[in-house]
Amino acid sequence: AQKITQTQPGMFVQEKEAVTLDCTYDTSDQSYGLFWYKQPSSGEMIFLIYQGSYDEQNATEGRYSLNFQKARKSANLVISASQLGDSAMYFCAMRELIYNQGGKLIFGQGTELSVKP
Amino acid sequence: ETGVTQTPRHLVMGMTNKKSLKCEQHLGHNAMYWYKQSAKKPLELMFVYNFKEQTENNSVPSRFSPECPNSSHLFLHLHTLQPEDSALYLCASSQPGTTGGNEQFFGPGTRLTVL
Repeated sequence: AQKITQTQPGMFVQEKEAVTLDCTYDTSDQSYGLFWYKQPSSGEMIFLIYQGSYDEQNATEGRYSLNFQKARKSANLVISASQLGDSAMYFCAMRELIYNQGGKLIFGQGTELSVKP
Repeated sequence: ETGVTQTPRHLVMGMTNKKSLKCEQHLGHNAMYWYKQSAKKPLELMFVYNFKEQTENNSVPSRFSPECPNSSHLFLHLHTLQPEDSALYLCASSQPGTTGGNEQFFGPGTRLTVL
């Protein structure tokens, strides 16, 4: 069965510094996708970044980058130059890639990030 | 309207009531999802619809009944709920396929309280 583990319930970071949020996963599938979502206090889940299991390069989206280590089954999110607006819950998720179907996302427990001014 | 919308945003209901949650997506997607987010727990997938057909039911109790009349609309009909069903219910949509991210776009959620 697929499983996502986020071991950091809460993290603090000083504004303008970088922070790494940990995510490990477990799957026997060869083809899968890894996602990071941000959930502010308003409740909406906001997509941040995606990494495919066959992608050789780490994904980057603006201040977000994904440190993908396939052999270790880890997909850590790095946020550079933290901003106060980055304070939120962050969820790592995994999806089996099934042809022509929307596949279910398996979510981790989440990490609550607080950015200090 | 753009993206994924959900109504109502907040709902309080008694255990004997019948209510429905509505989700609408304006993204042209063909897959839609219901998730439940309870306090201190990860999001749990409830149902998946691909091209209006239900392709996943994650052992959800029958007091939750989904309906997908077309690719843009998804409903969750609720009846005789229990207090432990109180949670944030999130709807999402995506474009089916295996190429690229096909990320799921989420609505703002309906916060449900069952008394």
